[in-house]
Amino acid sequence: EVQMVESGGGLIRPGGSLRLSCAASGFTISSNYMSWVRQAPGKGLEWVSLIYSGGTTFYADSVKGRFAVSRDNSKNTLFLQMNSLRVEDTAVYFCATAKTVPGLFENWGQGTLVTVSS
Amino acid sequence: DIQMTQSPSTLSASVGDTVTITCRASQSINTWLAWYQQKPGRAPKLLIYKASTLQSGVPSRFSGSGSGTEFTLTISSLQADDFATYHCQRYNNHPYTFGQGTKLESK
Repeated sequence: EVQMVESGGGLIRPGGSLRLSCAASGFTISSNYMSWVRQAPGKGLEWVSLIYSGGTTFYADSVKGRFAVSRDNSKNTLFLQMNSLRVEDTAVYFCATAKTVPGLFENWGQGTLVTVSS
Repeated sequence: DIQMTQSPSTLSASVGDTVTITCRASQSINTWLAWYQQKPGRAPKLLIYKASTLQSGVPSRFSGSGSGTEFTLTISSLQADDFATYHCQRYNNHPYTFGQGTKLESK
């Protein structure tokens, strides 16, 4: 069974850093397209970043230069390093996987809440 | 970037009704359109992809149509479990963008 569990969220001051993790089971993350998608409180969904099986990465303009996606294949875990956090980064962050088409999110984790506030 | 616009934002309906949600793209996306269902406090769930293909395990009362810039999600014979928020999403290229969501609530 495909399962993804996010962790690492919490309360952080503006300008701070946080690293989110997404531990996967039931499939191999290095063989899939892995994305982070976020949802601000009461708002819609926003794609944040994508890592290809070959390691190429892509980012939304809103986080480019501040966030970095990576993975540890030995632990089958995806990461999102978030630096220079802003109040507007407050959201639930989901990891999501796609098998055949990079942006078609077939499976999702349950999400982890990041709150950026002074 | 291509913008996705859903309507209505909120829809009130009763069990047994048939409802339709519309999603419009600011430029043509062929059929690179997905629909997701999301319940409060839960992750989104993929319902439909390629505009009209039902994801495995999704009930046949859900159907999708459209191509280019205009798409619809139809739910026939609404069940109590269908009250949720529905999101459309284009996935032809990144940045992948979503509609603002349509909340389907019980009348």
